[in-house]
Amino acid sequence: DAKTTQPPSMDCAEGRAANLPCNHSTISGNEYVYWYRQIHSQGPQYIIHGLKNNETNEMASLIITEDRKSSTLILPHATLRDTAVYYCIVRVDGGTSYGKLTFGQGTILTVHP
Amino acid sequence: DTAVSQTPKYLVTQMGNDKSIKCEQNLGHDTMYWYKQDSKKFLKIMFSYNNKELIINETVPNRFSPKSPDKAHLNLHINSLELGDSAVYFCASSPVGLAGPGANVLTFGAGSRLTVL
Repeated sequence: DAKTTQPPSMDCAEGRAANLPCNHSTISGNEYVYWYRQIHSQGPQYIIHGLKNNETNEMASLIITEDRKSSTLILPHATLRDTAVYYCIVRVDGGTSYGKLTFGQGTILTVHP
Repeated sequence: DTAVSQTPKYLVTQMGNDKSIKCEQNLGHDTMYWYKQDSKKFLKIMFSYNNKELIINETVPNRFSPKSPDKAHLNLHINSLELGDSAVYFCASSPVGLAGPGANVLTFGAGSRLTVL
């Protein structure tokens, strides 16, 4: 799996957009970008994933650069409940070791009132 | 309705004891997992089962034995508990098998915090 690099921490004001970056410069053509988050004392929660096109769902948007070497997770209107550790994971979709996610240290996002 | 439920949520025990953590999912998923999160918060996969068949078995001491009686359940039994086994153990499930979109979209349980004294 390609290595990912994320800032260790970020702050965001409530109601503003939170933009979380992730670098994955060694990503392969068949690897997807996945985002998960872990709110304190809870299990990780899947947010979104994509291959090369931008993706949006009810939780967030994922913007992947054209060269696919980096991506940004956007929480359009951050709330206090979005305070969590956010993980960017690069992984092939399927294969014999599907579900084997490598969680790094992630980005601690703190949303302030 | 809880999608992936684990019991117990907290478990405190003495070194050398044997304990089990149970996991059940009501999502109809084919694959289930055990992940371990240590004191430094790193989350690592231990095992995965697809339709009761062991798929992933990471370098885990053989004191850890997963058991899947059916595809909705994956239990974790730990023999001869050691201090280093203290961690939060997460069960998870995913809907697809070997290949398919969303194979890495996992639903996690709330975790079981194991403390070995």
